[in-house]
Amino acid sequence: GENVEQHPSTLSVQEGDSAVIKCTYSDSASNYFPWYKQELGKGPQLIIDIRSNVGEKKDQRIAVTLNKTAKHFSLHITETQPEDSAVYFCAASNAGGTSYGKLTFGQGTILTVHP
Amino acid sequence: ETGVTQTPRHLVMGMTNKKSLKCEQHLGHNAMYWYKQSAKKPLELMFVYSLEERVENNSVPSRFSPECPNSSHLFLHLHTLQPEDSALYLCASSQEARRETQYFGPGTRLLVL
Repeated sequence: GENVEQHPSTLSVQEGDSAVIKCTYSDSASNYFPWYKQELGKGPQLIIDIRSNVGEKKDQRIAVTLNKTAKHFSLHITETQPEDSAVYFCAASNAGGTSYGKLTFGQGTILTVHP
Repeated sequence: ETGVTQTPRHLVMGMTNKKSLKCEQHLGHNAMYWYKQSAKKPLELMFVYSLEERVENNSVPSRFSPECPNSSHLFLHLHTLQPEDSALYLCASSQEARRETQYFGPGTRLLVL
């Protein structure tokens, strides 16, 4: 089955700096890669996703890049703000066809943005 | 976050108790999921329902019993749990089981004494 590795486990940055979180996956058939943000006391919230036919996607201060050859994808947050502090999870799935959308999650990254 | 709601938000139970977790989605989705989130572990998929039919049981002990009476509601019935079952239980939904984007509820924080 799919295995997703996420690094780093903790990341501390100063407000205004950029933050990068990286994930690798093992199943070359995976074709969908979402990123979730989980704040304290809340469930994970989808913040951005990318599909295997796209190399990069941006949404304001957030961007995700995908390297299918190397089987890794990354989350980039620019101009970080204290409210970006949360746990971030990457995930991968091979959905469509005969398989259902089973997401395999990374272990999570605790991001702390210091004012 | 109001798209998927879960009750109760917190639950403390003894090992001999029977309790149920409830999930409701207001998004018109056809697939619903139960996940377990333990400290320092990735989210673990427990069950998947598509159009009220269970399509995945991820080797979950029988002390966890899911129920999906319709596409909007999902229950997780708990009985004779163990302390190691203490965790955050998350419900999610997606438009179809083959549609990747899943939307999560806030979770139920469960403590088994």
